[in-house]
Amino acid sequence: DTEVTQTPKHLVMGMTNKKSLKCEQHMGHRAMYWYKQKAKKPPELMFVYSYEKLSINESVPSRFSPECPNSSLLNLHLHALQPEDSALYLCASRVAGGEKLFFGSGTQLSVL
Amino acid sequence: SQQGEEDPQALSIQEGENATMNCSYKTSINNLQWYRQNSGRGLVHLILIRSNEREKHSGRLRVTLDTSKKSSSLLITASRAADTASYFCARGSDDKIIFGKGTRLHILP
Repeated sequence: DTEVTQTPKHLVMGMTNKKSLKCEQHMGHRAMYWYKQKAKKPPELMFVYSYEKLSINESVPSRFSPECPNSSLLNLHLHALQPEDSALYLCASRVAGGEKLFFGSGTQLSVL
Repeated sequence: SQQGEEDPQALSIQEGENATMNCSYKTSINNLQWYRQNSGRGLVHLILIRSNEREKHSGRLRVTLDTSKKSSSLLITASRAADTASYFCARGSDDKIIFGKGTRLHILP
């Protein structure tokens, strides 16, 4: 299995909702990433987990809460989002100490 | 900003022509990678060049790296309609991988 699977593919939520994005990989990768991407912009790094521990938080607002319950799963919990948080959220993974990122196909999030 | 600059921001060429995209960066690197993204989907890794390499080939792709100028270029030869996509360079240190602003490539039939 060489895939990174993200669910859901599309999500529409109100500003008072709580939702979660899910990312799963079974390649044995021990580094997992969340990126945010606005239209016609590059992916922006949000969080990195290395060996299930948060290693990088790029000063992301607390309304985004990451979680890495095990080595295969990465979640992004969303609460009280703003319309400007609407974007494509991309998950990626790589071998610990490796260089190449493997990406999921993303969750397109719309905040109303 | 840690993001590099890529140029051009957008490029339209005829099918069969070669496409060249450039990437500049500011900090020292261990390697530089290139990724492709088709219309808002996930990114796909294309090629990696290490800081001690000057040129690398993979199929129709050729990447060069000039560490003295802190720049890299990606050449796609004999372009095809399926090459229409956005192309990003990326560099990282340890776990942090940062993407450049990207070039949107459009192959005209």
